[in-house]
Amino acid sequence: NAGVTQTPKFQVLKTGQSMTLQCAQDMNHEYMSWYRQDPGMGLRLIHYSVGAGITDQGEVPNGYNVSRSTTEDFPLRLLSAAPSQTSVYFCASSYSDGRPTEAFFGQGTRLTVV
Amino acid sequence: QKEVEQDPGPLSVPEGAIVSLNCTYSNSAFQYFMWYRQYSRKGPELLMYTYSSGNKEDGRFTAQVDKSSKYISLFIRDSQPSDSATYLCAMYKNRDDKIIFGKGTRLHILP
Repeated sequence: NAGVTQTPKFQVLKTGQSMTLQCAQDMNHEYMSWYRQDPGMGLRLIHYSVGAGITDQGEVPNGYNVSRSTTEDFPLRLLSAAPSQTSVYFCASSYSDGRPTEAFFGQGTRLTVV
Repeated sequence: QKEVEQDPGPLSVPEGAIVSLNCTYSNSAFQYFMWYRQYSRKGPELLMYTYSSGNKEDGRFTAQVDKSSKYISLFIRDSQPSDSATYLCAMYKNRDDKIIFGKGTRLHILP
């Protein structure tokens, strides 16, 4: 049982490049989400999904795309990287069946855009 | 007004002291309230959660929710240097709803 796995752990991109941050969970959680964490800004929700085939925007969705074709995977795509997207990205998953939920977080991806 | 407000600190207290961490919120529809702990360069991990109003205790940690004041608290008794971390409050309304996090309070326990 690996929990939430994020890859890569570190990435440096040039402005304008695209890339996909991978997130996979093996707990059969319906709810998955992506956050970015910046100093003084806390965790800001980018996109979230309540199940396969369903996604919705969070607080800061611009410049990012997501899809949820399976319960296990929730990749985050940066379409054209910008220096403002330099951040630490966290993926999280949890149940969404009305119980008080525990969001399990991955270890994060540290992204630098130069 | 932001949905969830949390003082970023840093908060420095001597070992053994009682620590009080707080969040205020504006949306009265929030029902589930959580506290996460995040060590440096790690992902957040759930510490405690409560549903609706009331208190919940788990060892040295106590979570309180006052829905009438839209105020939640986390108390840490007999604080230890290993409690030094960032503490984030989080809350949401119901299933299929997004979880809203506070900005986190950095806590330093001084040996």
